[in-house]
Amino acid sequence: EDQVTQSPEALRLQEGESSSLNCSYTVSGLRGLFWYRQDPGKGPEFLFTLYSAGEEKEKERLKATLTKKESFLHITAPKPEDSATYLCAVQAGTGTASKLTFGTGTRLQVTL
Amino acid sequence: GAGVSQTPSNKVTEKGKYVELRCDPISGHTALYWYRQSLGQGPEFLIYFQGTGAADDSGLPNDRFFAVRPEGSVSTLKIQRTERGDSAVYLCASSSSGGQTQYFGPGTRLLVL
Repeated sequence: EDQVTQSPEALRLQEGESSSLNCSYTVSGLRGLFWYRQDPGKGPEFLFTLYSAGEEKEKERLKATLTKKESFLHITAPKPEDSATYLCAVQAGTGTASKLTFGTGTRLQVTL
Repeated sequence: GAGVSQTPSNKVTEKGKYVELRCDPISGHTALYWYRQSLGQGPEFLIYFQGTGAADDSGLPNDRFFAVRPEGSVSTLKIQRTERGDSAVYLCASSSSGGQTQYFGPGTRLLVL
């Protein structure tokens, strides 16, 4: 059974204080690892897809990396608007589409 | 462009009643997914459609839950004899043909009293 564990559960940073969120996973045949951002009362918003170990992707203050066992979401010099829950999910199996298995998320709060 | 839309945004019902939740995917997306999210948890897979057919319904918790997508576009999630434990946010997502990225709608918040 595919499993995704995210840590920490919650993180409080001051503006400008860089940090990393962790997503460890066990899956049979990884097809992709996904990062989403979710604001309160909203649906998840897509950030990144990583397909193979060693891959990195960046978007503004966010950078996602992938190894064979875990992924990190690095946040550089965060701003209050980066406050949200960050969800990690894995996709496994064969075929052109299949379900995502999510972790429970990391709630990030960035204060002034 | 228009994203995934879901109606209603909120639904309050009484235990034992029947409810229908609607999802309108991104135009042209062939795959459509339903997830359920409880407070403080990540989304949990329910069912996904490729075109009109259910390709994987392994996440449906029991036979009170049923979903259809008759014309390969809009989908309806149907819950019979609702229970208080069905209270959650029901999320819909869609992806393009051959695409892996799933784009989510805003969700329907279901409260069963």
